[in-house]
Amino acid sequence: KQEVTQIPAALSVPEGENLVLNCSFTDSAIYNLQWFRQDPGKGLTSLLLIQSSQREQTSGRLNASLDKSSGRSTLYIAASQPGDSATYLCAAGTSGTYKYIFGTGTRLKVLA
Amino acid sequence: EAQVTQNPRYLITVTGKKLTVTCSQNMNHEYMSWYRQDPGLGLRQIYYSMNVEVTDKGDVPEGYKVSRKEKRNFPLILESPSPNQTSLYFCASRKPGQGFGYTFGSGTRLTVV
Repeated sequence: KQEVTQIPAALSVPEGENLVLNCSFTDSAIYNLQWFRQDPGKGLTSLLLIQSSQREQTSGRLNASLDKSSGRSTLYIAASQPGDSATYLCAAGTSGTYKYIFGTGTRLKVLA
Repeated sequence: EAQVTQNPRYLITVTGKKLTVTCSQNMNHEYMSWYRQDPGLGLRQIYYSMNVEVTDKGDVPEGYKVSRKEKRNFPLILESPSPNQTSLYFCASRKPGQGFGYTFGSGTRLTVV
């Protein structure tokens, strides 16, 4: 059964820092992995989608990588800003199922 | 605008009173899913649908029903709500294939008293 873990659960950094959020999954047979942002009490906004055949995806200051063999994905945020403060969630789509399994998220606070 | 629309956004109800949360998408997506989000437990899948008239249970289906009579709509039905169904609910949709990710609705905050 696929399990997705995100560590740390919470992170505080000063503005301007580059940071890395981690996502681990137990079953490497995934068809894609998606990173989301969630503001308090709000819906999920898709940030990046990495297909199983890809190694990374980039959008602006965000870069997500995928290493299926080690069961890891990372989300790199460059030059963090207070507006980046939110909870970041990763979700893995497991091959052979229709399920998207979510991690419990990393709550990020960027201090001005 | 491409979107998933859920209604209502907020709902307070009493134990045992049947309710329906509607979900509609305008992107012609085949896959649709319902999730609930609870503190410390993250997002858990309740039901999913691969296409019209094709649905299956997710990880926490007890106490819920769904239907998929039209491609765009995927309502979530609570026949006899209980306080443990108090949660934040999300509907999501996507196209099949590894190149497509989920688009989420804005959520429905349900309180059962």
